[in-house]
Amino acid sequence: DQQVKQNSPSLSVQEGRISILNCDYTNSMFDYFLWYKKYPAEGPTFLISISSIKDKNEDGRFTVFLNKSAKHLSLHIVPSQPGDSAVYFCAASERGTSYDKVIFGPGTSLSVIP
Amino acid sequence: GAVVSQHPSRVICKSGTSVKIECRSLDFQATTMFWYRQFPKKSLMLMATSNEGSKATYEQGVEKDKFLINHASLTLSTLTVTSAHPEDSSFYICSARQSFRSDTQYFGPGTRLTVL
Repeated sequence: DQQVKQNSPSLSVQEGRISILNCDYTNSMFDYFLWYKKYPAEGPTFLISISSIKDKNEDGRFTVFLNKSAKHLSLHIVPSQPGDSAVYFCAASERGTSYDKVIFGPGTSLSVIP
Repeated sequence: GAVVSQHPSRVICKSGTSVKIECRSLDFQATTMFWYRQFPKKSLMLMATSNEGSKATYEQGVEKDKFLINHASLTLSTLTVTSAHPEDSSFYICSARQSFRSDTQYFGPGTRLTVL
């Protein structure tokens, strides 16, 4: 049973527009959430995170929104650039720190079309 | 969906001992498995890429003799931390890639290693 779900395997967006990647989780004990980005033939790289005490965290073009009641988070990329084309993994952990077990979603492949 | 398991989930060992971590793909064959190390609140660091039946490819800065990787079958890869030291304490996570899905990796739940 997947505790972290990314129901869209892929997403295509025009350059300059907003990319919205969604993630749902089932474990209410999760209190720290991360997004990883992965290029082909490379390991995932950390992108942005959010603690459960917040509902929004912004870093440049990337913003993560957390809706705890819905057990849903999303990653917004504005404006989208061709270099953003990659696989994005949503991940979640318990007990408030990323020291603890991290559960990853299956990933969403984003294609930004020039 | 595809499931990847890791065993053990947590291990505590004394300095100088060796620890083996297993990574298994439970319902698919994995031509390639990856081993990552996660530092606190940092991204996963790719340690090595393991292809079944061949030697692992290690990332720059990762000691081959320190972190022994074996990928003996299409469903099992092992990481052995030899002569572990406290600085090896970390969260190790593997992932497996199905041969016919070139860019989809399924990650294991990770192994927390604490070296005393």
